[in-house]
Amino acid sequence: LAKTTQPISMDSYEGQEVNITCSHNNIATNDYITWYQQFPSQGPRFIIQGYKTKVTNEVASLFIPADRKSSTLSLPRVSLSDTAVYYCLSTGSASKIIFGSGTRLSIRP
Amino acid sequence: DAGVIQSPRHEVTEMGQEVTLRCKPISGHNSLFWYRQTMMRGLELLIYFNNNVPIDDSGMPEDRFSAKMPNASFSTLKIQPSEPRDSAVYFCASSPPGPWDTEAFFGQGTRLTVV
Repeated sequence: LAKTTQPISMDSYEGQEVNITCSHNNIATNDYITWYQQFPSQGPRFIIQGYKTKVTNEVASLFIPADRKSSTLSLPRVSLSDTAVYYCLSTGSASKIIFGSGTRLSIRP
Repeated sequence: DAGVIQSPRHEVTEMGQEVTLRCKPISGHNSLFWYRQTMMRGLELLIYFNNNVPIDDSGMPEDRFSAKMPNASFSTLKIQPSEPRDSAVYFCASSPPGPWDTEAFFGQGTRLTVV
């Protein structure tokens, strides 16, 4: 399974745009990039998934360049409630969903 | 749908006792995952099932851990005998059938404390 690397922690302020980058140099051709969010005392929650270029939903945007060796999760105008751990995963047909260490995002007033 | 349902939400037990955690996946989902989360080790995949069949149990820490999925709507994770180092939050997740996209839906977790 392709390994992903992301920053351990990030800090930002309310109203800012936050970009979390993830490296996946050995991503397989059939793998998707998937991001999850986890609040304290809750299970992870699916945020967004993409294969190439840009995907946007009501929560976030995901940018994946043509070489697919990295991806960037973009959270527009964050609020205090976006404080959470964000996981970047490479997922494919093996159906085995493996989580790394994640990025602990702290939003300040 | 009520989502993935786990029970109990909290469990406190004495070392050496048997512990059984339960999970009801979302109807129609054909993959089920058991995870364990601790501060030290993060979120670890213990075992996953596809169509009720265990596909990969390489994450099960030792023989004291066992998991079953007798039907599509129920799974158990058993620890016998339990030890203090088993204290953790145990999550169950399920995902729908699909070729590549793997969106897993997690339950609220069971917080296990072994004293």
